[in-house]
Amino acid sequence: DADVTQTPRNRITKTGKRIMLECSQTKGHDRMYWYRQDPGLGLRLIYYSFDVKDINKGEISDGYSVSRQAQAKFSLSLESAIPNQTALYFCATSGHNYGYTFGSGTRLTVV
Amino acid sequence: ELKVEQNPLFLSMQEGKNYTIYCNYSTTSDRLYWYRQDPGKSLESLFVLLSNGAVKQEGRLMASLDTKARLSTLHITAAVHDLSATYFCAARTSGSRLTFGEGTQLTVNP
Repeated sequence: DADVTQTPRNRITKTGKRIMLECSQTKGHDRMYWYRQDPGLGLRLIYYSFDVKDINKGEISDGYSVSRQAQAKFSLSLESAIPNQTALYFCATSGHNYGYTFGSGTRLTVV
Repeated sequence: ELKVEQNPLFLSMQEGKNYTIYCNYSTTSDRLYWYRQDPGKSLESLFVLLSNGAVKQEGRLMASLDTKARLSTLHITAAVHDLSATYFCAARTSGSRLTFGEGTQLTVNP
C-alpha cells in the first residue's frame, strides 16, 4: 500500500456541487498538506495542518475547507465547485527527517 | 513572502549534452528540495539540500546550493531520453511549508 493514499484518483463534477477529496497516510507524520497544481504555476499550498487541532490556511485557501479527522486523515472540501478549481490536487505529509511524501494526486474537473 | 523562480521553464536538449536548471528564491530558507514529475504522476524526491555549499549527485543529476546568493542549480550531465520530465525546486518556509517554483519541462531528444 502507498504511504499516502488519495481518493478519488479522478473526478468530474458539476459547477455548484460539493466535493470532498480524501487523504490518508501510514507514515505516522504529524504534518499534512494540500497542494494544487496548475500548468505553468507549480504547486501552490491550499491548507496545512500540524496536528488534529492545528489547521492553517495556505496561499490559495479561498473556496476550500479542510478537516483533520485523525492524525492519519486530512480531507479537502470544495463547498461549491467552480470551473477554475479544475486542477491536479496533491496531499503530502512531512516528518522530522526533512522529507516530504506526496500522494498520487486527484485530477478534478469541474464542468 | 517567499517566492521561488526557475529558469528556464522549457528546455529541449540533445542526448549527450549538458545543461543547468536554475532556481532562485527570494528570502531565507533552510532547505531546498528538487523533485521530478512525469506526466500525470506524483512528485519523486531527488535531492534535499540543507546547507550552504551543499552538493549532491545521483547518476547524471547534480544539485548544489548557494544560500548567500539564494540560488540552487540542477546540473544534467550527458542527458539521456529517460531524463525527460518536469523538474521542480521548492524552498522550505516557516511552518514546514514548501514553496515551489514553476517547474522546468525538460525534453531530451535523440
